[in-house]
Amino acid sequence: QKEVEQNSGPLSVPEGAIASLNCTYSDRGSQSFFWYRQYSGKSPELIMSIYSNGDKEDGRFTAQLNKASQYVSLLIRDSQPSDSATYLCAARAYAGKSTFGDGTTLTVKP
Amino acid sequence: GAVVSQHPSWVICKSGTSVKIECRSLDFQATTMFWYRQFPKQSLMLMATSNEGSKATYEQGVEKDKFLINHASLTLSTLTVTSAHPEDSSFYICSAARQGRPTYNEQFFGPGTRLTVL
Repeated sequence: QKEVEQNSGPLSVPEGAIASLNCTYSDRGSQSFFWYRQYSGKSPELIMSIYSNGDKEDGRFTAQLNKASQYVSLLIRDSQPSDSATYLCAARAYAGKSTFGDGTTLTVKP
Repeated sequence: GAVVSQHPSWVICKSGTSVKIECRSLDFQATTMFWYRQFPKQSLMLMATSNEGSKATYEQGVEKDKFLINHASLTLSTLTVTSAHPEDSSFYICSAARQGRPTYNEQFFGPGTRLTVL
């Protein structure tokens, strides 16, 4: 079992819809959780960090964390074609290195 | 804030030569930097963790004598691919961890270096 698991996709949504990306992690010592966006041929870009249970909103993005279920999600509202990318989930224990999932590829169709 | 640069952005070299890649955190100090490799359409693969002033920690299966890492200052880490061969051709990406609350050690990635070994 991988330490951080994501559905590989591809996930396809129409423009304007909500895209929902999910991630589970196995290390209960994980304290920090991150979502990165990676466009093809580019390096990952940090888009959300979350540390406490509940929701965290930033513009069209909402990250959700449930430590009891060891589950992290990212919602993208009003999806745009420019959101088409691979989304990486990462979990980090205190003073440890981040562990990345393999990513979910999202395609937003006009 | 939180900008990480890498140089060069791409490099083409002959088999057997060595290539040095620099990673700099431009607006924050990073005691820890990470080096990744990514092949086309594949996941990020962590190669090593670089700590300022100490030896790097390499992941299992990564040859430390082939991939030399130096983290001489709080803003600079270098990766040297020694005696490069075509199978070393890949996208090399560094990241730097910004420490302290409330950022909880977020990692910021450099733009990557595309290495092609002929």
